[in-house]
Amino acid sequence: EDQVTQSPEALRLQEGESSSLNCSYTVSGLRGLFWYRQDPGKGPEFLFTLYSAGEEKEKERLKATLTKKESFLHITAPKPEDSATYLCAVLRGGGSEKLVFGKGTKLTVNP
Amino acid sequence: DADVTQTPRNRITKTGKRIMLECSQTKGHDRMYWYRQDPGLGLRLIYYSFDVKDINKGEISDGYSVSRQAQAKFSLSLESAIPNQTALYFCATSYGANVLTFGAGSRLTVL
Repeated sequence: EDQVTQSPEALRLQEGESSSLNCSYTVSGLRGLFWYRQDPGKGPEFLFTLYSAGEEKEKERLKATLTKKESFLHITAPKPEDSATYLCAVLRGGGSEKLVFGKGTKLTVNP
Repeated sequence: DADVTQTPRNRITKTGKRIMLECSQTKGHDRMYWYRQDPGLGLRLIYYSFDVKDINKGEISDGYSVSRQAQAKFSLSLESAIPNQTALYFCATSYGANVLTFGAGSRLTVL
């Protein structure tokens, strides 16, 4: 069975304190790994897609990386506006065509 | 206007009532989805549709039904609501097996 595990469940950082969020997955034939950001009371918003081990994507203070077993979302010098829940999801091969989501990491950045 | 619009945004109802949540999109995407989000459980897929004539059950379809009235409209029904269906419901769309675009969510409370 496909599984996506995100850690930690919650993370508190001071503004400027860099850190990483983890997404480990067990899936048959990964077709893609997706990162989303969700603000309270809103729907998830797409951040990145990674397709193969070794791939990296960057956007402002965020960088996503992928290995064969996990993905990291690195946050460099975070700001309070980076506070949100970050969701990881995987799409497996074999014609499934369905995303499996992790439970998310709630990030709080204090000024 | 939002790309994916959900109505109602908030609904309080009683056990046994029939409820319909509606979703419309202006993205021109072929695929539409209904997810449920509960604290600690993450996003779980209820139903998905790859085109007007194609409806598929997700991992938690019991107690729910859907209708794809047009390419742009996908509604979710609870024929007889029960309290454990209290949750935040999201509609999403995609073009192929690609990035999901989510609506803002419909918060349903069943008393």
